[in-house]
Amino acid sequence: EDQVTQSPEALRLQEGESSSLNCSYTVSGLRGLFWYRQDPGKGPEFLFTLYSAGEEKEKERLKATLTKKESFLHITAPKPEDSATYLCAVRGGGYNKLIFGAGTRLAVHP
Amino acid sequence: GAGVSQSPSNKVTEKGKDVELRCDPISGHTALYWYRQSLGQGLEFLIYFQGNSAPDKSGLPSDRFSAERTGGSVSTLTIQRTQQEDSAVYLCASSLEQGGLFFGSGTQLSVL
Repeated sequence: EDQVTQSPEALRLQEGESSSLNCSYTVSGLRGLFWYRQDPGKGPEFLFTLYSAGEEKEKERLKATLTKKESFLHITAPKPEDSATYLCAVRGGGYNKLIFGAGTRLAVHP
Repeated sequence: GAGVSQSPSNKVTEKGKDVELRCDPISGHTALYWYRQSLGQGLEFLIYFQGNSAPDKSGLPSDRFSAERTGGSVSTLTIQRTQQEDSAVYLCASSLEQGGLFFGSGTQLSVL
């Protein structure tokens, strides 16, 4: 069964303290790994799609990387406004839905 | 607007009543998805529509749940005889065929 595991469940950082979030996946025929940001009371906001091992995408202080077994979301010099829940999802072979992980709750303190 | 629109944003109902939730996807997006997010939980897939193909209903939790998409655009999720365990945020998303999903803000459903 295809599945996605995110770690840690929660992460507290000081402003400027860089770190990484992990997304481990088991899927047959990966057809995309997706990162989302979700703020309280809102729907998930699309960040990145990665399709093949070795691929990297960047947006402001965020950088996503992909290997054959996991993806990392690196946050460089975070600011309080980066506080949110970050969700990882995969699309596998034979289906078009996304399977989501439980998310990492990130809190960045001044 | 340019994004996915859902209505109502909040719905309070009594146990046993039927509810209808509406989703208006991004214009030109051929795929439409419904997900459910319970308090503190991850996103649970419910149903997926793609063009004129038969929908993927594999995530619907019971036969009390149904959805339709009219004219390849607006979708309605119907929950019959609501139960307290149906309380959750119902999220709709749309995408181009193989692209990333773009979500609406959701409908918060509370069943008393």
